[in-house]
Amino acid sequence: NAGVTQTPKFRVLKTGQSMTLLCAQDMNHEYMYWYRQDPGMGLRLIHYSVGEGTTAKGEVPDGYNVSRLKKQNFLLGLESAAPSQTSVYFCASSQFLTNEKLFFGSGTQLSVL
Amino acid sequence: AQSVTQPDIHITVSEGASLELRCNYSYGATPYLFWYVQSPGQGLQLLLKYFSGDTLVQGIKGFEAEFKRSQSSFNLRKPSVHWSDAAEYFCAVRRFTSGTYKYIFGTGTRLKVLA
Repeated sequence: NAGVTQTPKFRVLKTGQSMTLLCAQDMNHEYMYWYRQDPGMGLRLIHYSVGEGTTAKGEVPDGYNVSRLKKQNFLLGLESAAPSQTSVYFCASSQFLTNEKLFFGSGTQLSVL
Repeated sequence: AQSVTQPDIHITVSEGASLELRCNYSYGATPYLFWYVQSPGQGLQLLLKYFSGDTLVQGIKGFEAEFKRSQSSFNLRKPSVHWSDAAEYFCAVRRFTSGTYKYIFGTGTRLKVLA
């Protein structure tokens, strides 16, 4: 069972470069989330989606964009990376009706130089 | 505003000793509470959850947590810690707002286990 898969696992960018992080889940979940994890700050919600074709802003959305063209995929984009976006990014998903817990991917370590 | 506070950033215990990790929440309604564990280089895994009913809930890996409404707390406990329990632990509260479920996480407690 794959669960939630994030690619890539590691990435180093230069300031101003762009990239896309991919999250894929095979559990047919409606809800998908992107979090960033920084030391001493826990997990903060960047963007989320409640279903295919829908996205919404979370707690810290600035500098990021997202898309959910297919139910199983949730993409997080950085158009012009900044050092402040150096972080570990986690994708998570959950089912709409039960929504008892989040299923997490293993994370993407992103460094912006 | 709803929030989750984990007052201990780091905790060190000896293997075999008991453990209690603190979590306090601020939430107007009946909270849905969770504890997650993150092993190094891994995503978060659910340990246990509380929705309603019995205020003492059992989770995986021998963990339990007690919901105390009067103290706005949901502390995680384990009677005897194993070296494999070394990890970071996150308390979270779930709320339904703007038509969706959102999870608010605490800042985490990193557990170190001494042999």
